[in-house]
Order: sequence, then structure tokens, then C-alpha cells
Amino acid sequence: QIQLVQSGGEVKKPGASVKVSCRASGYTFANYGLAWVRQAPGQGLEWMGWINVYDGNTKYAQSIQGRLTMTTDTSTDTAYMELRSLTSDDTAVYYCARVQAYSGSFFPDYWGQGTLVTVSS
Amino acid sequence: DFQMTQSPSYVSASVGDRVTITCRPSRGLSAWLAWYQQKPGSAPKLLIYGASTLQSGVPSRFSGSGSVTSFTLTISSLQPEDFATYYCQQSNNFPPQFTFGPGTRVDLK
Repeated sequence: QIQLVQSGGEVKKPGASVKVSCRASGYTFANYGLAWVRQAPGQGLEWMGWINVYDGNTKYAQSIQGRLTMTTDTSTDTAYMELRSLTSDDTAVYYCARVQAYSGSFFPDYWGQGTLVTVSS
Repeated sequence: DFQMTQSPSYVSASVGDRVTITCRPSRGLSAWLAWYQQKPGSAPKLLIYGASTLQSGVPSRFSGSGSVTSFTLTISSLQPEDFATYYCQQSNNFPPQFTFGPGTRVDLK
């Protein structure tokens, strides 16, 4: 079955960086894009960015661009999300999600279990 | 800035009730929309895509309708496992940017 398994929770100090991994299984990794979505405590879903696994092309949310890098390793079917210059506002659960296409629209269909990143001094 | 609004933001309902949630994009970006269900401590789960296509394994009491400027998620007969928060989502064309609605929480009356 299709699974996305993320790395464990992280505690970081303000100004630090965090790198979260997302290992895919049960489908052909390079055939689908991946999105990263985060959710601050008690808040809604915020899209962070998308990566075309096949060619590495990325699209980042404007609010976070400049601090975010998404990459993939097709030899291990793993995606990575690195966020730099962390502040307390970055405390959230971070999700990776496989992106499906339908008639020119795109939507996440399978999600990882989430990774809690806590930024605290 | 493109945004999605959902109404209501909160629903208090009983088992067996019919529940309707509306999602409106700030402009007519697409004819297509996805709906997600999220329970506390869990990742979102895809319910509907393409505005009205039920994801495999999702019970038929969930249905979606609408196009371009207004979309609706309907739960025909609310079950105990349906108490959760529901989000709508759209994307633009390629490369995709995703926008989620603010969510509608469905609670037990």
C-alpha cells in the first residue's frame, strides 16, 4: 500500500535549521509530485511548497520562500524539506503529501503521519 | 491574494443529521476542488476530488458538488466517526500552488 513515512519530531532553537525527511513506498516515486504542508498548533493547513520529483522543479509559497529548500533522492525514494532561520512561528506539525493530478488541477491524496517541529529557546 | 472561505466555521450536529459545508474561492480559479477530513492528532484524509468524485474507500454518505465559485460538501447522515474538521483545497495551474480553506469543525451537539 502507498505510504509516506516521515522522520521524528525535532526541537530547535530560534535561528537554527531543521530538515525533515519523507520516505515513500508503494508507488513509483518519480511519477508524482510531493507537497509539504504545515499546521501550527490549533490552526489550519498551510501549503509550503511543491516539488516535481521527476526533474526537481519546485514552487514555494511566497511567505516562506528564501528560507525553504525541498529536495528528493530518487535512489531511496525520499523527499526532504529544510527550513532555515527558524522562529517560534515555525512551530508546527509538518506533513509531506503525494500530489495527484486531475483535469489540470492538483491535490494531495496520500499524506505522511506528520513531524512536530518545536522552536523554543 | 487568492483565498478560500468556508462556512460555517463551526457546526454542532447530532448523529443522523444532514450536514452541509460550503467553500467559496475568492475568484473563479478552477472547476475542481478537493475536500479533506482531519481528526485531532492525525493527518488530513482525502474525501473528495474533482469537486464531486469520491476517493476510494470513502463512505457514500459523503458527497460533493459545485463549480468555480461555490462548492459544497454534504454528509447525508452524520455518523460518530464523522466528528472532525473539514478543509477544502484548490490549486492553480502548473506549477501548482495550493490553497486550503480555513476549516469547518463538526462537533457533537
